[in-house]
Amino acid sequence: TQLLEQSPQFLSIQEGENLTVYCNSSSVFSSLQWYRQEPGEGPVLLVTVVTGGEVKKLKRLTFQFGDARKDSSLHITAAQPGDTGLYLCAGHGSSNTGKLIFGQGTTLQVKP
Amino acid sequence: DAGVIQSPRHEVTEMGQEVTLRCKPISGHDYLFWYRQTMMRGLELLIYFNNNVPIDDSGMPEDRFSAKMPNASFSTLKIQPSEPRDSAVYFCASSPSNYEQYFGPGTRLTVT
Repeated sequence: TQLLEQSPQFLSIQEGENLTVYCNSSSVFSSLQWYRQEPGEGPVLLVTVVTGGEVKKLKRLTFQFGDARKDSSLHITAAQPGDTGLYLCAGHGSSNTGKLIFGQGTTLQVKP
Repeated sequence: DAGVIQSPRHEVTEMGQEVTLRCKPISGHDYLFWYRQTMMRGLELLIYFNNNVPIDDSGMPEDRFSAKMPNASFSTLKIQPSEPRDSAVYFCASSPSNYEQYFGPGTRLTVT
């Protein structure tokens, strides 16, 4: 069974600080996605990474896929209160079915 | 596009009652997914369909749960009989491929 472990589970920081969220597995994933979920809403896709070593930037968010495609990280620069939410990583297994495997999520609170 | 539509948004029912959750996917999307989210277990895939055909129902917890997709624009998730441990937020998501998924707003189910 493929599993994705996220760390930390909870993060509370002040506005302006930087942070990194990690998503790790012992299995290889054909692609990996990051979602953000706000209270009372469904997860919203932020990015998909496909190639080992790939780095994608979305404004103040930087996403990286590990060289071996077993891990990923999300780095936020100068966090803002609007970044508050639940961040989920999700991966497609090597069998490349439609099924996504989700991590447990990282709850981020950015205080003004 | 209106996005994925789910109804009802909130459902409160008594133990033993039948519950039916509804989902309208985004037009043109070939994949439809049902998830359950709880604090303890995170986001769990229950079942997914490709072109209206169930592909993987290994996440359906018990025979009390059933899902149907009679056509490309409608799916239901039924729980009969419901139990308090079924209380959770149920999400429907659709996808145009086996990559990015678009989530609905969820149905918050409370079974008393």
